[in-house]
Amino acid sequence: QKEVEQDPGPLSVPEGAIVSLNCTYSNSAFQYFMWYRQYSRKGPELLMYTYSSGNKEDGRFTAQVDKSSKYISLFIRDSQPSDSATYLCAMSVGTGNQFYFGTGTSLTVIP
Amino acid sequence: DVKVTQSSRYLVKRTGEKVFLECVQDMDHENMFWYRQDPGLGLRLIYFSYDVKMKEKGDIPEGYSVSREKKERFSLILESASTNQTSMYLCASSPVGVETQYFGPGTRLLVL
Repeated sequence: QKEVEQDPGPLSVPEGAIVSLNCTYSNSAFQYFMWYRQYSRKGPELLMYTYSSGNKEDGRFTAQVDKSSKYISLFIRDSQPSDSATYLCAMSVGTGNQFYFGTGTSLTVIP
Repeated sequence: DVKVTQSSRYLVKRTGEKVFLECVQDMDHENMFWYRQDPGLGLRLIYFSYDVKMKEKGDIPEGYSVSREKKERFSLILESASTNQTSMYLCASSPVGVETQYFGPGTRLLVL
């Protein structure tokens, strides 16, 4: 079993839709959770960073962590064509430890 | 803004060639990482370094080596390139005590 599972999609939504992206994980020791956005042929860029459980909001983006279910989500409100990218989740046990990445979900927002 | 740069965006090499991929970060980060990214497999850690002249193997170190002679620079070396090393190579850096990594733009390597 992989440490981190992520549905690869592809996901296609109309402009303005609410998008939900999800990852599940198996290691209950994970405490740090990240979401990265990767445009085609570019490196990943950090989008959201959360420690432990709970929600974090940044503009149109909300990250949720449910440690009891070993499940994390990224919500995008009022999605825009510029949100079209691959979204990667990542997590780690703690400082200095290895990151574990999901394989990424490809999102297309149609104008 | 954190800036991580990689020496080449695209590289074409022949089987058996020695290949050097360079990564430089300008934010005085202690930690640096090399990943490869392949469709369906995601990011896989090759090597990482927590300090100058220090290196640790990741999940797939076979066929690769690294060098970190200066804090800002982390090099990935393919001793004898093979076709199965055709991939996107990503460098990342992070400061101590902060659980985020900042990525470079990537190098697309094609080994013929």
